[in-house]
Amino acid sequence: SQQGEEDPQALSIQEGENATMNCSYKTSINNLQWYRQNSGRGLVHLILIRSNEREKHSGRLRVTLDTSKKSSSLLITASRAADTASYFCASAGTASKLTFGTGTRLQVTL
Amino acid sequence: KAGVTQTPRYLIKTRGQQVTLSCSPISGHRSVSWYQQTPGQGLQFLFEYFSETQRNKGNFPGRFSGRQFSNSRSEMNVSTLELGDSALYLCASSLSGAHGNEQFFGPGTRLTVL
Repeated sequence: SQQGEEDPQALSIQEGENATMNCSYKTSINNLQWYRQNSGRGLVHLILIRSNEREKHSGRLRVTLDTSKKSSSLLITASRAADTASYFCASAGTASKLTFGTGTRLQVTL
Repeated sequence: KAGVTQTPRYLIKTRGQQVTLSCSPISGHRSVSWYQQTPGQGLQFLFEYFSETQRNKGNFPGRFSGRQFSNSRSEMNVSTLELGDSALYLCASSLSGAHGNEQFFGPGTRLTVL
């Protein structure tokens, strides 16, 4: 399978703490994207980092990319209960399809 | 601007039947992709259509097919349904789909095969 992997599979933190999720992918990429999914609904695009970028920020999100290790990480700072969701990384090559990772289930408790 | 819409949202079918799912992309988006999501296999790419042509295809059997109309709306069809086809089917649209552009997902159609 070409599917990427994410760890941890599940993460439980308290509101206000930071959450870090890691993603590994298998093939060379044009960019890597992160998506959020709430309770089996549609995915929401969070951030896209291109293969020539090493770090990108968007609000409380920080993404890093290491193409030599074929890995990326997503950091959510000062987490909120509303951040509770599943998070997926998706690698994109030159073709149009996205190859998704296995996902991390994040639970943020009050 | 309206988001991606998918109909129906829920569907129950029995083995051997066929099903057609519909997706309306964001206005102006010409690329529509379909994904299957199951607890066991995760999110898997089915196919992508651009300007009424299938541009990319995943590793699914021929029972899974799709098409795109001139207004960019897309349908996917699954024939001879199997229990393992029970899944959330997600449609995503993007401007061109090239080089992994950001994709906008619909809410999905949850298919249950009995």
